[in-house]
Amino acid sequence: EDQVTQSPEALRLQEGESSSLNCSYTVSGLRGLFWYRQDPGKGPEFLFTLYSAGEEKEKERLKATLTKKESFLHITAPKPEDSATYLCAVQGARTGNQFYFGTGTSLTVIP
Amino acid sequence: GAVVSQHPSRVICKSGTSVKIECRSLDFQATTMFWYRQFPKQSLMLMATSNEGSKATYEQGVEKDKFLINHASLTLSTLTVTSAHPEDSSFYICSARADRADLATNEKLFFGSGTQLSVL
Repeated sequence: EDQVTQSPEALRLQEGESSSLNCSYTVSGLRGLFWYRQDPGKGPEFLFTLYSAGEEKEKERLKATLTKKESFLHITAPKPEDSATYLCAVQGARTGNQFYFGTGTSLTVIP
Repeated sequence: GAVVSQHPSRVICKSGTSVKIECRSLDFQATTMFWYRQFPKQSLMLMATSNEGSKATYEQGVEKDKFLINHASLTLSTLTVTSAHPEDSSFYICSARADRADLATNEKLFFGSGTQLSVL
């Protein structure tokens, strides 16, 4: 069964303190691993898609990497506006359209 | 990017009433739309896959007669929570998968902004 586990559940950082969020996954035939940002009371906002091990994507202070078992979302010198819940999802070959979401990491960046 | 409009954003209703939530793809066609439910501090749980012109496919444990889904056009899917009860209170999110190849970018799914349902 396809599974996604995110850690830590919550993370508090000082502004400028870099860190990484983890997404471990088990999927049959990975078709894509997706990172989203979700603000309270809002729908998920797309950040990145990664397709194969070794792939990296960057956007401003965020960088996503992928191995065969996990993905990391690296946050460099975060700002308070980066505070949000970050969700990871996988799409597997066996499950077609379905995305399996992790429970997310709630990030708080303190000024 | 493509826009998905979800309405209403917040609804409060009395127990026993029905509530309809709309999900529209504004600038693209979507044969397939998805409905999720999210409890506080929990992940998005897929409820059903909505296909234009055919019956929705419900995930295990989701009551078809409780959560009615209609996907009557390529740009609109609706979720009706029938005879709502307090335990149906939750955050409901829709997403749409773009049909057009030029929109089927890395983003794959486009999400609505969600509907917070509170049943008194």
